Amino acid sequence: SQQGEEDPQALSIQEGENATMNCSYKTSINNLQWYRQNSGRGLVHLILIRSNEREKHSGRLRVTLDTSKKSSSLLITASRAADTASYFCATARNQAGTALIFGKGTTLSVSS
Amino acid sequence: DAGVIQSPRHEVTEMGQEVTLRCKPISGHNSLFWYRQTMMRGLELLIYFNNNVPIDDSGMPEDRFSAKMPNASFSTLKIQPSEPRDSAVYFCASSHPDRNDGYTFGSGTRLTVV
Repeated sequence: SQQGEEDPQALSIQEGENATMNCSYKTSINNLQWYRQNSGRGLVHLILIRSNEREKHSGRLRVTLDTSKKSSSLLITASRAADTASYFCATARNQAGTALIFGKGTTLSVSS
Repeated sequence: DAGVIQSPRHEVTEMGQEVTLRCKPISGHNSLFWYRQTMMRGLELLIYFNNNVPIDDSGMPEDRFSAKMPNASFSTLKIQPSEPRDSAVYFCASSHPDRNDGYTFGSGTRLTVV
């Protein structure tokens, strides 16, 4: 079952612009993670934000988490053609012995 | 470390045949996960192991699917008999419980059942 749902499903921008993707989830979580998947490849972990954190940065990535709204956003600043990929949010529920549940992803296309 | 290693990368098989997918997790990672990815259903968790013990297999579609982890460095996912609707990309991932770097995924096995 899908826990996280990303929005939009697809996003097309020009190089240098910022890209914002959103994720909504349903149940209480321990942490939320974002992953990137290039075409034909496995997923790559980008960033993890815990339920008691509100914002986190890693290079050009900024993630926010609003547990009251059960939502998160991923901002990629100054995008590059190499950022073209699908981006997934994944939630770890607040329950021992559970694995990450992934959303269906946002497909980002950055044109030069 | 070479990362999570999956084999084969591609598998084409006829309906009714047995298929075995293989995974070698990262050394030191004690959790291993099998996911299936399709356009329609996205990424679905099939089963996950902790310290070689299956913890949650509720995502395994039906009795045709089975998974084993005989030791910390090897896992298999078997489909017998295979059906066309099993066509998907199957990913293996591993993780370390005490680190904040999430899951490390393999490159996947693209399975086509004709």
